[in-house]
Amino acid sequence: QVQLVESGGDLVRPGGSLRLSCAASGFNFSDYYMSWIRQAPGKGLEWVSYISSSGSTIYYADSVKGRFTISRDNAKNSLYLQMNSLRAEDTAVYYCVGAVAALYYFDYWGQGTLVTVSS
Amino acid sequence: DIQMTQSPSTLSASVGDRVTITCRASQSISSWLAWYQQKPGKAPKLLIYKASSLESGVPSRFSGSGSGTEFTLSISSLQPDDFATYYCQQYNRYWTFGQGTKVEIK
Repeated sequence: QVQLVESGGDLVRPGGSLRLSCAASGFNFSDYYMSWIRQAPGKGLEWVSYISSSGSTIYYADSVKGRFTISRDNAKNSLYLQMNSLRAEDTAVYYCVGAVAALYYFDYWGQGTLVTVSS
Repeated sequence: DIQMTQSPSTLSASVGDRVTITCRASQSISSWLAWYQQKPGKAPKLLIYKASSLESGVPSRFSGSGSGTEFTLSISSLQPDDFATYYCQQYNRYWTFGQGTKVEIK
């Protein structure tokens, strides 16, 4: 069955860095368009970043542009999010999500990994 | 940026009730709208896409309608498993979610 398993969430100090990973299985990962979505504690959902199936097209939300970098390795069925210059407002559960087509709704979701930015 | 506004923020209802949640977009998004259900501590689950298409495996008591800027999610007869938070999401230009509607037990 389809699985997206995130890892890498942790407690980090403001200004620090963290790399999230997402391991995909049960579907043809290289055909899917992937994004990261986050949810601050008790809050709603916020799209963070998108990468096309080939990795050639990338988008970021304004709130993370210049600080976060999305990437993927289709040979390893993996998605990544490098997060630098972390701020308290980046504290959230980060979900790895997949879409069957470009710029589409998200039909596959991981269980999430918690990133806490605090001194 | 396209803003999505849901109403109400909280809805109290009983098992068997018909429930309707509204989602408004700040500009036309055609039918590029999805609805998700989220339970505490869990990832969201896709219910409806393209405004009115039911995702495979989702009970038929869920339905979606609308186009342009106004959309609704309806649950024809609320079941105990349906008490959750519901989010609309536009995918016309990038992705934006509504703030959520919590459906709680009356």
